[in-house]
Amino acid sequence: QQQVKQSPQSLIVQKGGISIINCAYENTAFDYFPWYQQFPGKGPALLIAIRPDVSEKKEGRFTISFNKSAKQFSLHIMDSQPGDSATYFCAALGRDNFNKFYFGSGTKLNVKP
Amino acid sequence: NAGVTQTPKFRVLKTGQSMTLLCAQDMNHEYMYWYRQDPGMGLRLIHYSVGEGTTAKGEVPDGYNVSRLKKQNFLLGLESAAPSQTSVYFCASSLTGGPYEQYFGPGTRLTVT
Repeated sequence: QQQVKQSPQSLIVQKGGISIINCAYENTAFDYFPWYQQFPGKGPALLIAIRPDVSEKKEGRFTISFNKSAKQFSLHIMDSQPGDSATYFCAALGRDNFNKFYFGSGTKLNVKP
Repeated sequence: NAGVTQTPKFRVLKTGQSMTLLCAQDMNHEYMYWYRQDPGMGLRLIHYSVGEGTTAKGEVPDGYNVSRLKKQNFLLGLESAAPSQTSVYFCASSLTGGPYEQYFGPGTRLTVT
């Protein structure tokens, strides 16, 4: 059972447009929600993260919107650029007996020039 | 700081062969993780370690073994490789407490024929 569901699987956006990627989770015990960016041939790297006590976090062109009651969160990339073309993973942190990260299946973003 | 490094970067194995993947981190992190990444499936946790000398099973541990003899190193072994283990393997590390960012290595692309 996938703990974090991510959509869409792939996304094509024109340069300057807004890219939106959505994630949903079930476990209300999750308390940290990062987004990772992965370029081809590289490992994922942390892009932005949010805690459930805030509804939005913005860093430059990247914004996380968080809806605790709906158990959903999304990544918005404003003014999308070709350099943003990458695979994006959402994740959720569960504590169990260690810091376990549950990852979404990934979204491949292609920003057309 | 080199961060998280992985060796080798690429490897081709025949079915039944064995090999060890090496992960090293120089950030003094307690937690280390091994993931596999397959198309459309995100990152799945194979094994993890919460400290030197400790290891535990993740979501997909079958066919793999691990060891953490030194805090900075985390080894992943394949005892008898199978085609189903063809994947990209990522090592990651993190602190025990916050911040909760996971730092990923560059990955090892393994093909089992």
